[in-house]
Amino acid sequence: DIQMTQSPSSLSASVGDRVTITCRASQGIRNDLGWFQQKPGKAPRRLIYAASNLQSGVPSRFSGSGFGTEFTLTISSLQPEDFATYYCLQHNNYPHTFGQGTKVEVK
Amino acid sequence: QEQLVESGGGVVQPGRSLRLSCAASGFTFSSYGMHWVRQAPGKGLEWVGVIWYDGNNKWYADSVKGRFTISRDNSKNMLYLEMNSLRAEDTAVYYCARDRMDSSGLDVFDIWGQGTMVTVSS
Repeated sequence: DIQMTQSPSSLSASVGDRVTITCRASQGIRNDLGWFQQKPGKAPRRLIYAASNLQSGVPSRFSGSGFGTEFTLTISSLQPEDFATYYCLQHNNYPHTFGQGTKVEVK
Repeated sequence: QEQLVESGGGVVQPGRSLRLSCAASGFTFSSYGMHWVRQAPGKGLEWVGVIWYDGNNKWYADSVKGRFTISRDNSKNMLYLEMNSLRAEDTAVYYCARDRMDSSGLDVFDIWGQGTMVTVSS
């Protein structure tokens, strides 16, 4: 099974900060990776697909990069509505696997 | 609009069974693979399993293999999750999500249902 190691598990940041979250795959997954945002009591919302493509309707302050085993989600200027938990998901192989999640909290 | 709506959750005793449903609308259901994903209270997301667009291929997480069965009825635009021999650790919100299964990744986990809560407790 492919393990997805996501870091950090949590971070404290202020509005306007640049935030970077990383996922590392235990083996190469090409660009078969998505990033999701989840707020309490809500379903996950996809932000990025194929590692670097912005989902329609998602603000351009979100961006993704990476290929193979190292992937990054960046929020260029954190906004109040961005405080949430973020997950990566690899869909290159079964079983699909999520990262452990990164909770972005108010500093 | 494109939508998935889960139903069937509730409280069930350990060892019993429960069937969840996921109703699809607004898109060509028979062209998509469908996943189940769950989230235990206060925990992260866990992939449960997938059924291909035609129902001919299925994959499951080791944690549910042999106990859970995914099925679909393309004539009714419905996805199902049959859960048997339920355990306390199966307590979670269960989500369905679609997957076009093409190389672009465009329609992969892009639409999710709102989730349905399953509580396994005596």
